[in-house]
Amino acid sequence: AQKITQTQPGMFVQEKEAVTLDCTYDTSDPSYGLFWYKQPSSGEMIFLIYQGSYDQQNATEGRYSLNFQKARKSANLVISASQLGDSAMYFCAMREENAGGTSYGKLTFGQGTILTVHP
Amino acid sequence: NAGVMQNPRHLVRRRGQEARLRCSPMKGHSHVYWYRQLPEEGLKFMVYLQKENIIDESGMPKERFSAEFPKEGPSILRIQQVVRGDSAAYFCASSPSLAGDYEQYFGPGTRLTVT
Repeated sequence: AQKITQTQPGMFVQEKEAVTLDCTYDTSDPSYGLFWYKQPSSGEMIFLIYQGSYDQQNATEGRYSLNFQKARKSANLVISASQLGDSAMYFCAMREENAGGTSYGKLTFGQGTILTVHP
Repeated sequence: NAGVMQNPRHLVRRRGQEARLRCSPMKGHSHVYWYRQLPEEGLKFMVYLQKENIIDESGMPKERFSAEFPKEGPSILRIQQVVRGDSAAYFCASSPSLAGDYEQYFGPGTRLTVT
């Protein structure tokens, strides 16, 4: 069974600074995908970034980067140059995948981290 | 291309009533997933459907909950005889049938309140 752990219930960061949100995972699947989603107070789920377990390089999407350490089973999200609009709940999730990196499997989510950006 | 649509956005039911939640996937998507988010928690998988088929219902409560995705029309999550513990946000996500796209696209969610 897959498990995602986010140990930081809440994080605070000053505007324009970088922040790291922690995520560790546990799985026996040889191939998997890791995701980060943002959930603002309005409630929708916004996809941020994806990392495949066989990807050699860490994923980046604009101000978001994923610090993937496979041996440690961690997939931390780094947000650079924080903005007030980054204040939200952030969820780490994972999914079993086939070797080609595609899958139609269910996502397993962590408990989330509430990020607050101070001006 | 319209995103995943869910309706209603907010639903209030009294204990014992039925709740019907609808999800229209993105155009061209034939895979639908339902997740439930209890207050202050992460999303939990409930069921995965393709057109006219339930593929994985391992996250569905054994009683009162059912889901369908007919050949025509939206996917429906049905909760019979609702109880207060069913109060939650219910999210639908869809993905395309073709390989190569790894993202599940989420709808805005339906907030169910049982009074």
